[in-house]
Amino acid sequence: GAVVSQHPSRVICKSGTSVKIECRSLDFQATTMFWYRQFPKKSLMLMATSNEGSKATYEQGVEKDKFLINHASLTLSTLTVTSAHPEDSSFYICSASLGTSEYNEQFFGPGTRLTVL
Amino acid sequence: GQQLNQSPQSMFIQEGEDVSMNCTSSSIFNTWLWYKQDPGEGPVLLIALYKAGELTSNGRLTAQFGITRKDSFLNISASIPSDVGIYFCAGRLSGTYKYIFGTGTRLKVLA
Repeated sequence: GAVVSQHPSRVICKSGTSVKIECRSLDFQATTMFWYRQFPKKSLMLMATSNEGSKATYEQGVEKDKFLINHASLTLSTLTVTSAHPEDSSFYICSASLGTSEYNEQFFGPGTRLTVL
Repeated sequence: GQQLNQSPQSMFIQEGEDVSMNCTSSSIFNTWLWYKQDPGEGPVLLIALYKAGELTSNGRLTAQFGITRKDSFLNISASIPSDVGIYFCAGRLSGTYKYIFGTGTRLKVLA
């Protein structure tokens, strides 16, 4: 399967600071990337969908000004958690897809664990 | 957000036993994916299903796309300790590009 990487794998930051998480597709060009959030022992909740070169589409209830997404190239999408607070602590996972047709599976990155003190 | 009903929520089984889990919904799906997630890791794709009634195997894993397109099943035969983890189904609704994830089945294998 396709390989997706995330960086950093783990980050601890102080409340009020911003944190950037990178998602890269290593061996394919991803026209679409997805950002998920996962709470302990819970399922994955889609936060937003990003398409290369266009604005991200956010799910209902997700603050676009707080979770800034940039998909500048076909292999890189970034999620920036702005002015992070303890309630933003979570496991953030990205996935990448060749496109949005029904035959394009999603391949997940290893996740980034964010802890906000 | 929307989630699929997945059952069982957790399972404790003996090594060598077969395992079955399923996802159900009142909505119709075009695609079903099954993932396994280890602690602290991202989900890994196990099986992808694209057609109603489709039965697909990947080693000891077999998954089926329900005839009604509202459900999917995953079976693991002759379980081994490394099967431990959380299994998620993900369904893609007709007319959309997004996947909705199941609530997960936590599998524990007793040696």
